[in-house]
Amino acid sequence: DVKVTQSSRYLVKRTGEKVFLECVQDMDHENMFWYRQDPGLGLRLIYFSYDVKMKEKGDIPEGYSVSREKKERFSLILESASTNQTSMYLCASSQVSGTSGGERFFGPGTRLTVL
Amino acid sequence: AQSVTQPDIHITVSEGASLELRCNYSYGATPYLFWYVQSPGQGLQLLLKYFSGDTLVQGIKGFEAEFKRSQSSFNLRKPSVHWSDAAEYFCAVGAPLMEASGGSYIPTFGRGTSLIVHP
Repeated sequence: DVKVTQSSRYLVKRTGEKVFLECVQDMDHENMFWYRQDPGLGLRLIYFSYDVKMKEKGDIPEGYSVSREKKERFSLILESASTNQTSMYLCASSQVSGTSGGERFFGPGTRLTVL
Repeated sequence: AQSVTQPDIHITVSEGASLELRCNYSYGATPYLFWYVQSPGQGLQLLLKYFSGDTLVQGIKGFEAEFKRSQSSFNLRKPSVHWSDAAEYFCAVGAPLMEASGGSYIPTFGRGTSLIVHP
């Protein structure tokens, strides 16, 4: 069974802290993605990676960085957390295949609160 | 660039009633289209997808969607809603990512429609 896991379901951090959100997939997918989800705004892409050590900016990369040292793991880093980064963060993965059309497999999400 | 519009933020239906959630897209070529569902506190789950061929696609949980090129729409339907269908529904359109990624596609998501089901 396809699985994407995220290290925490809920996280509370203070302004200025460095925050790591971890995502692991067991499907041997090449592509991995980080989204944030806010009410009324849907899903917005932060960063994605289509190979180990490769990364590309999405629509809202400011204030975030990512790391992909291994194929199965994709980390989102908030260098200095701010209150406007309070959100639900969703990790996803997909295979490289024209036939899949980019079908995403999502993790359960991490709800981050920055105080 | 592609875009997706879900014109309804909230939809309220009675249990047993039929359902249609609207989705309009903008994309220059034949799109890849998806519907996802997100139950409270959960990640997104794929309901169905359209790539080519028959414009009426069947998905899980009794859902179906129809691709209408002339209207740039991909509306989601269910003939009889169950209380467990209450969730957030997202439409997405996929477009090519980049050549370096070997032909992967990156979907753009709509803002979602929240379905409320009354007993």
